[in-house]
Amino acid sequence: ETGVTQSPTHLIKTRGQQVTLRCSSQSGHNTVSWYQQALGQGPQFIFQYYREEENGRGNFPPRFSGLQFPNYSSELNVNALELDDSALYLCASSQRGLGTEAFFGQGTRLTVV
Amino acid sequence: KNQVEQSPQSLIILEGKNCTLQCNYTVSPFSNLRWYKQDTGRGPVSLTIMTFSENTKSNGRYTATLDADTKQSSLHITASQLSDSASYICVVARPNSGGGADGLTFGKGTHLIIQP
Repeated sequence: ETGVTQSPTHLIKTRGQQVTLRCSSQSGHNTVSWYQQALGQGPQFIFQYYREEENGRGNFPPRFSGLQFPNYSSELNVNALELDDSALYLCASSQRGLGTEAFFGQGTRLTVV
Repeated sequence: KNQVEQSPQSLIILEGKNCTLQCNYTVSPFSNLRWYKQDTGRGPVSLTIMTFSENTKSNGRYTATLDADTKQSSLHITASQLSDSASYICVVARPNSGGGADGLTFGKGTHLIIQP
C-alpha cells in the first residue's frame, strides 16, 4: 500500500452532471498531481497542486478544476460531464524536489452515461 | 517533443519464463526514469527509479537497466509468476521547474499476460 487513498473507488454519473473526487496524500508529501487514464492508455496529466496552489496544468478544459487543503489532501472537480470523461482518475502524491518518488492512489473509476 | 515509447505493446509468456520490456525516450532534460506495475483498474505501483548515473537497479525478480546515452531502458522479469500479469509503464521525469506540467512523461505501457 502506498498510503495514498482515493474516494470513491467507483462512480456512475449522467452526462451534464458534476463530480468531485477526493485524494488523501501520503504523510509528509506536499504535492498532489491528478491524472486521467483512458482504457489502454497511459495516464494523462491534468494538474498539480503544491502547497494549496495550482502548480501546473495539462491540456484539459477549465471545467476540470481542483483544490488542495492545508493537510495537503486534494479534490478534483469536473463540471458538465461528457461521455469522454469516463476514465480511471489517479492522484499521485510526492514531496516536491528532484528525483522524488510519486506514489499513486488506487484510482477512481468514473463512468459517464 | 518529449515522448516515451514502449515495446512490445502486449506480450504473452508462460509461467516461469523470463521476459524483457523496452522503453525508449526523447525527454530532455532528464531527471530520472521509473518503472511502474499497474494491475487492471488499479493505480500504478513503483518498481524502480533510476537517475542519470545509475545503469541498473533490481527489485526482487525485476531488474531495470538504463542507458542514458542512447535514451533506452529495459525491465527484465525473471521466473515470471501469474501475479506478474499487469501493465508495465515506463515514466521519464524532467526536473520540476515548478510550472506548466509536473515533469512526468508516461509511456502507454506494455500489457503482460502470464499463462499457466
